[in-house]
Order: sequence, then structure tokens, then C-alpha cells
Amino acid sequence: SQQGEEDPQALSIQEGENATMNCSYKTSINNLQWYRQNSGRGLVHLILIRSNEREKHSGRLRVTLDTSKKSSSLLITASRAADTASYFCATDAGSSYKLIFGSGTRLLVRP
Amino acid sequence: GAGVSQTPSNKVTEKGKYVELRCDPISGHTALYWYRQSLGQGPEFLIYFQGTGAADDSGLPNDRFFAVRPEGSVSTLKIQRTERGDSAVYLCASSPSGSGYEQYFGPGTRLTVT
Repeated sequence: SQQGEEDPQALSIQEGENATMNCSYKTSINNLQWYRQNSGRGLVHLILIRSNEREKHSGRLRVTLDTSKKSSSLLITASRAADTASYFCATDAGSSYKLIFGSGTRLLVRP
Repeated sequence: GAGVSQTPSNKVTEKGKYVELRCDPISGHTALYWYRQSLGQGPEFLIYFQGTGAADDSGLPNDRFFAVRPEGSVSTLKIQRTERGDSAVYLCASSPSGSGYEQYFGPGTRLTVT
């Protein structure tokens, strides 16, 4: 069963705009991760945020985590056409190894 | 260095046949995972190996599915008496250990059961 739910399911923006995706989950976690997937194949790890962290940055990516609301957000600034992909949040649901993924947000960045 | 590799990249089989899917993890990674992804969904956990042993196989859907990792590196996912509902992309991932690390995913095997 899916632990997380991403919102929105699909997002279309113009190149240069910011993209924000949200993730909600159900159970307590040790960490939460965001992955990107192109063309329905291998996933690429973007960022990991631990349960005692509130915000993390990596390049154009900014991730926030609110454990009281069981939610996270991924912000991609100054988007590029190459950012077009599906984005998934994944939690460990307290197991520390097994990832439980949401259903993803499909991002389209129009040139 | 080399990433996680999976073979074959695509597999088409008839209903009722047996298939084997192979995963080569990143060298030195002790943890290996199998996930299954249906169209439009996120990956779903199948099984986790720490070394040679299956530490958690709670995600395997039924006893037609089995996975091995005899020497603690390469893993094979085996599916007996395939059904059309088994059609999906099967993803393998590895990590340095099982705890709190990012997982490195392979490109997946797309299995189609006709």
C-alpha cells in the first residue's frame, strides 16, 4: 500500500518558473526522500531529509519537512525543460530501510 | 563507478511461464532491494536483502515470487507461473547498508506477460 500521497498529481509550468510539489504521509518516519524518474524507468535520488531536520537545500532544490503535519514539500526553482519528469516522495515508515513511495507528481516544464 | 545494472531490460513472456530477472548492485553495497512499479504508480517494496539473507520479504505478493542473493552481491528475482497481472517494471536498488541511506536504483526490467 502507498504511504505517501503527492499533490498535485500533475503540474505544467513555463521554463524559469518555480515548481512546488507536496507530499503527505501516514506513519512516523526516520527520514523522507525525494526521487526523480524519467520515462518510467530508473529513479534518481534527489535529497534525503531526516526527521529532526526542517529544511534542506541542494542546488535548485529546497525540501521542507513538517513532522507534526506529516508533510513535506519539494521546491524546484528556476525550472528547466530538463526537469520534466515524475517526482516521488518516499518514507521509511520507521523501518529505516524499506521505502514506501507515493504515487508521484508528473511535472512538465514547457520551453 | 558502475551503477546498479539489471538484465534483461525488457522481457515478454507467455502466461504460465517462468522468468528470472537479474540485478547487479553497486560493488560493496550490502543492502539490496526489489520493487515493482505498475503504470502510473510509485514503486512498491517487494523484498530486502542484507548480505545473503532476505531480511524482509513481506512485500512479495504470493508464493510464486522468490528472490535469492547467494553470494551477497548479484540477486535474482524469480517468478513462477506468470500471470498477466505480473506485468510491471521491476526495479532493483542497493545501498551501503540498510539503514538511513539513499537507495541507488537500476534502470529496471519491464516485464510483459501476454
